[in-house]
Amino acid sequence: RKEVEQDPGPFNVPEGATVAFNCTYSNSASQSFFWYRQDCRKEPKLLMSVYSSGNEDGRFTAQLNRASQYISLLIRDSKLSDSATYLCVVNPYSSASKIIFGSGTRLSIRP
Amino acid sequence: DTGVSQDPRHKITKRGQNVTFRCDPISEHNRLYWYRQTLGQGPEFLTYFQNEAQLEKSRLLSDRFSAERPKGSFSTLEIQRTEQGDSAMYLCASSLVGGDSQNYGYTFGSGTRLTVV
Repeated sequence: RKEVEQDPGPFNVPEGATVAFNCTYSNSASQSFFWYRQDCRKEPKLLMSVYSSGNEDGRFTAQLNRASQYISLLIRDSKLSDSATYLCVVNPYSSASKIIFGSGTRLSIRP
Repeated sequence: DTGVSQDPRHKITKRGQNVTFRCDPISEHNRLYWYRQTLGQGPEFLTYFQNEAQLEKSRLLSDRFSAERPKGSFSTLEIQRTEQGDSAMYLCASSLVGGDSQNYGYTFGSGTRLTVV
């Protein structure tokens, strides 16, 4: 089983729609969680950290369910510029160790 | 310091040749990581350094791969006797891990795209 699993998509949604991605992780002792965004042929960039109580950053909401070992990302009022691959990322051991990436979920926003 | 720099951006090599990539991290960062990414996959961890010490190597890092960070600043990743399966994007990242063992965020470089023909 992969340490971090995501639905690869692609998700193709109209502008203005709400879209949600889930991600599951295998190590119940995982310490910290993130969503990264990666544009085509570019490096990954941190979108947001995911906190136990859930957190919001503008149109983006991230949630963590430790009992079920999944993380979610909700994008409201999607924009064309949101088209990208969204990578679920986990620190499986401690915050000082390496981060592990999921395979990413491709999102395409259509006009 | 404008971030993590990687050189070259692109490399095309013939199968069997050796290649070396360089990564210059953010100067105050003590951790340096190498990842490899193939099409349609997320980045896969290869190895990381704390200053000049290589703390962990993935099983993905075969004997043909070697990474160094001799003075705790820049790092090199060498692939010997390249194979077509080595074709990928090689990403470097750096971060600062404080005395409290907290990791204060990763910054990735733009990557080196390797094509083995």
